Amino acid sequence: EVQLVESGGGLVQPGGSLRLSCAASGFTFSTYGMNWVRQAPGKGLEWISYISSSSSTIYYADSVKGRFTISRDNAKNSLYLQMNSLRDEDTAVYYCARGRGLGATPCGYWGQGTLVTVSS
Amino acid sequence: DIQVTQSPSTLSASVGDRVTITCRASQSISSWLAWFQQKPGKAPKLLIYKASSLESGVPSRFSGSGSGTEFTLTISSLQPDDFATYYCQQYNSYPWTFGQGTKVEIK
Repeated sequence: EVQLVESGGGLVQPGGSLRLSCAASGFTFSTYGMNWVRQAPGKGLEWISYISSSSSTIYYADSVKGRFTISRDNAKNSLYLQMNSLRDEDTAVYYCARGRGLGATPCGYWGQGTLVTVSS
Repeated sequence: DIQVTQSPSTLSASVGDRVTITCRASQSISSWLAWFQQKPGKAPKLLIYKASSLESGVPSRFSGSGSGTEFTLTISSLQPDDFATYYCQQYNSYPWTFGQGTKVEIK
């Protein structure tokens, strides 16, 4: 069974940093592209980043480009999101999600999400 | 970036109703469109991919159609478990973008 478990969320001040982790199990992590998607309280879904299976291809939404860094460790079956220069508008539930198939496919598997609150 | 516009934003319907949600892309995305269902406090669930392909385990009352710039999600006979928010998403090109969502409420 595919499982994705996010951790690392919490309360952080504006301008601060936070690192999210996503532990994957139940599939061969090293063969799948992975994504981060977020959802601000009461708002819609926002895709924010993609990393290919080998980390050779990375994309970001404009809203986080230059501030967030996606990475992965295939030996540890883990996905990461380093978030710097955090702003109030980054407050959201952050989901780790796997493509339904190989390559850049829509997110067929999601974690439960981790809440990041940016506030002074 | 490709903009995705969903309508309506809210839909009131009764059990047994046929429901249709529309998604329009700002440029052609071929058939690279997915539909998701989300319930409060839960992660989204993939329903449809490649515009009309039903994800495994999803009831057949859900169907998708369209290509190019106009797409629809249809629920043929609304069930109590279907009251939720629905999102479309284009994955033709990065950055991937979601529609604003359609909340299906009980009439």
